[in-house]
Amino acid sequence: NAGVMQNPRHLVRRRGQEARLRCSPMKGHSHVYWYRQLPEEGLKFMVYLQKENIIDESGMPKERFSAEFPKEGPSILRIQQVVRGDSAAYFCASSPGTSRDTQYFGPGTRLTVL
Amino acid sequence: AQRVTQPEKLLSVFKGAPVELKCNYSYSGSPELFWYVQYSRQRLQLLLRHISRESIKGFTADLNKGETSFHLKKPFAQEEDSAMYYCALSGGGAQKLVFGQGTRLTINP
Repeated sequence: NAGVMQNPRHLVRRRGQEARLRCSPMKGHSHVYWYRQLPEEGLKFMVYLQKENIIDESGMPKERFSAEFPKEGPSILRIQQVVRGDSAAYFCASSPGTSRDTQYFGPGTRLTVL
Repeated sequence: AQRVTQPEKLLSVFKGAPVELKCNYSYSGSPELFWYVQYSRQRLQLLLRHISRESIKGFTADLNKGETSFHLKKPFAQEEDSAMYYCALSGGGAQKLVFGQGTRLTINP
């Protein structure tokens, strides 16, 4: 089992462009979580998804950010019209699905907005 | 509101010395507490969780509800313990994790 995969590992965008971050959960995991880590801060929860459903998006900024986890394929975190403040490390985690499961983290995507 | 506080950003101890990484939390219900560790160039991984009540790599952590703390301890530090340590909380049936800011532990030879 290769673990949670994230790509790209590094992404550079200019202000106003779109950023798409991908997360492939561990085999057999149907729950995905996205976290953001700003410089010198801890990880902050953004969104929790199950296949084709958003369960909790209480940590998502109201504008420009969206997430999906389709029936087939990876989960996508999409940031439209990026600004410099979006520069951060974005981590994805997955779990099998039952409550109190351990979350397994991916290596993260480091987004830099020029 | 759920909050996790790790008061020390940096902690440096000598090899063989005891180490304690502090974690305090704020939560009105019955939380589940975790310690995650990130070694250099590796991904974040679970070290231990309070419901397991086990020792991993010599580390233990006891949930103290009176003091709302979940400090991580090891009696004799080893150089390979150098890493970034995050305390995290989950509660109320919600599976999201609330993380502290992290403590960078350095073990000096």
